[in-house]
Amino acid sequence: GNSVTQMEGPVTLSEEAFLTINCTYTATGYPSLFWYVQYPGEGLQLLLKATKADDKGSNKGFEATYRKETTSFHLEKGSVQVSDSAVYFCALSDSNQAGTALIFGKGTTLSVSS
Amino acid sequence: GAGVSQSPSNKVTEKGKDVELRCDPISGHTALYWYRQSLGQGLEFLIYFQGNSAPDKSGLPSDRFSAERTGGSVSTLTIQRTQQEDSAVYLCASSRGEKETQYFGPGTRLLVL
Repeated sequence: GNSVTQMEGPVTLSEEAFLTINCTYTATGYPSLFWYVQYPGEGLQLLLKATKADDKGSNKGFEATYRKETTSFHLEKGSVQVSDSAVYFCALSDSNQAGTALIFGKGTTLSVSS
Repeated sequence: GAGVSQSPSNKVTEKGKDVELRCDPISGHTALYWYRQSLGQGLEFLIYFQGNSAPDKSGLPSDRFSAERTGGSVSTLTIQRTQQEDSAVYLCASSRGEKETQYFGPGTRLLVL
């Protein structure tokens, strides 16, 4: 079945460091891929998405590229800020099926210090 | 505009009691999803509605769990005879259509004592 694997956390960085959070997936069909973020005390928010191979999603300085050949969707940011501290979830949905639920990775906690 | 809202935000109940959790989706969103977020299991899908019908109930963990949606809007998730393992954050999401981006509510934190 479909699944998402993302790197274990926590990830601890200093402000302005480069961030990579790895995400790989297993899917039949042609999934859409997402990164959601959960800030402390808040709900899940969509950060970025990509719906087909080689698409790059980007938002708030974060970006991720849909790599079909490596079944990956790694999240990157060139210079993190303290305000980026949150839990990041990689997810997929199977675009071939109507109303398919999102399948999430376990989440990666990012802590950025000044 | 208004996002997805859920109530209550927190619920503490005793083992064996029934609980009802409510979700108000974004106005005009036809698809509605329930998920559960727990420490041990991460984020799990529970049930999906398109309009008032639930074509996918595959994630409901047991027959103690049920959900309904009325008027193509508000949804209620009911857990009967709650157990301690039901303790989790229950998240609701809605989307404009079946393949559209899902927007999440703040969740209901359920604690079963």
